[in-house]
Amino acid sequence: EDQVTQSPEALRLQEGESSSLNCSYTVSGLRGLFWYRQDPGKGPEFLFTLYSAGEEKEKERLKATLTKKESFLHITAPKPEDSATYLCAVPFSGAGNMLTFGGGTRLMVKP
Amino acid sequence: DAMVIQNPRYQVTQFGKPVTLSCSQTLNHNVMYWYQQKSSQAPKLLFHYYDKDFNNEADTPDNFQSRRPNTSFCFLDIRSPGLGDAAMYLCATSSLGEDGYTFGSGTRLTVV
Repeated sequence: EDQVTQSPEALRLQEGESSSLNCSYTVSGLRGLFWYRQDPGKGPEFLFTLYSAGEEKEKERLKATLTKKESFLHITAPKPEDSATYLCAVPFSGAGNMLTFGGGTRLMVKP
Repeated sequence: DAMVIQNPRYQVTQFGKPVTLSCSQTLNHNVMYWYQQKSSQAPKLLFHYYDKDFNNEADTPDNFQSRRPNTSFCFLDIRSPGLGDAAMYLCATSSLGEDGYTFGSGTRLTVV
């Protein structure tokens, strides 16, 4: 059964304190791993897609990496505006685009 | 800007009173999805459409129905809302053969 697990569930950081969020997955034939940012009361906003182990992508203070079993979202010198829930998702095994989401990591960055 | 629009942003309905949530897109994507997201939980897929081909998830309650009259619009009907149906309802689109979804801003449903 496809599973996506994110840790930690919640993370409190001081502004400037770098850290990493984890997304581990079990799926047959990975066809991509997606990271989204979700602000309270809003829909998820696309951040990155990673397709193969060893791939890395960056956007401002965020860098996503992928191995055969997990992905990390590294946050370098975070700012309060980076506070949000970060979701990762993978397509279901087999055909189709349906995504299985992890439970998310709620990030709070204090000034 | 091309986008996915959900209306209304907030919906309050009475217990047992039918309610319809709407979603429209200007992306011309052929796949549309409805997800339910309860507080602090992962989004859970309810339905999806490939064009007009409707696909229901096995554990989606019968109380939930969906309609897609054309490429641009998709509706979620809840026939008899219960307190447990209070959630954020997310509409998303994608183009078959391409990865990634575009999400709407969601509709927050409250059942009183």
